[in-house]
Amino acid sequence: AQSVTQLGSHVSVSEGALVLLRCNYSSSVPPYLFWYVQYPNQGLQLLLKYTSAATLVKGINGFEAEFKKSETSFHLTKPSAHMSDAAEYFCAAIKAAGNKLTFGGGTRVLVKP
Amino acid sequence: DTEVTQTPKHLVMGMTNKKSLKCEQHMGHRAMYWYKQKAKKPPELMFVYSYEKLSINESVPSRFSPECPNSSLLNLHLHALQPEDSALYLCASSHDTDTQYFGPGTRLTVL
Repeated sequence: AQSVTQLGSHVSVSEGALVLLRCNYSSSVPPYLFWYVQYPNQGLQLLLKYTSAATLVKGINGFEAEFKKSETSFHLTKPSAHMSDAAEYFCAAIKAAGNKLTFGGGTRVLVKP
Repeated sequence: DTEVTQTPKHLVMGMTNKKSLKCEQHMGHRAMYWYKQKAKKPPELMFVYSYEKLSINESVPSRFSPECPNSSLLNLHLHALQPEDSALYLCASSHDTDTQYFGPGTRLTVL
């Protein structure tokens, strides 16, 4: 069965510092991979997705993620954190031609002024 | 436009009430989903509709009854819920098996 692991349930960064959120997947066949952001009392907003094209994926709000098959990873980064980046971030995977998203446990990002 | 709308935004109901949650999308997506999300947890899949037919039911109790009247609408009928059913209910849609786009959710409180 496919699984997604996010290392660190909470991450604290200073405003202007690098944001790095880690995601690893377990699957014999590389799945499609997604990062979603959720602000308090809101739905999930798609940040970016990997669907077997370019391994470096750029998303909204200055975020990007790199797919590394050898490490089964899809880590999310942003060079300079902004206060508005404080939210919950979910990594998710889906098999090609499947429609069951598997979510990681989520990482809550706190941005310090 | 990647908008999925959900109504109501908030719902408070007693354990004997019957209520419905509604979800709508106009992106031409043929798959629609219901998720339940408890606080500080990821969403949990409940139901999947594909081409207006129920394709996945994740062993959800019968007090939750989904309905897909047409390709743009998805309802979740609620009856005799328990307090532990209080959660954020999220709807999503996708074009076949591609990216899922989520609505803002309905915050449900069962008293």
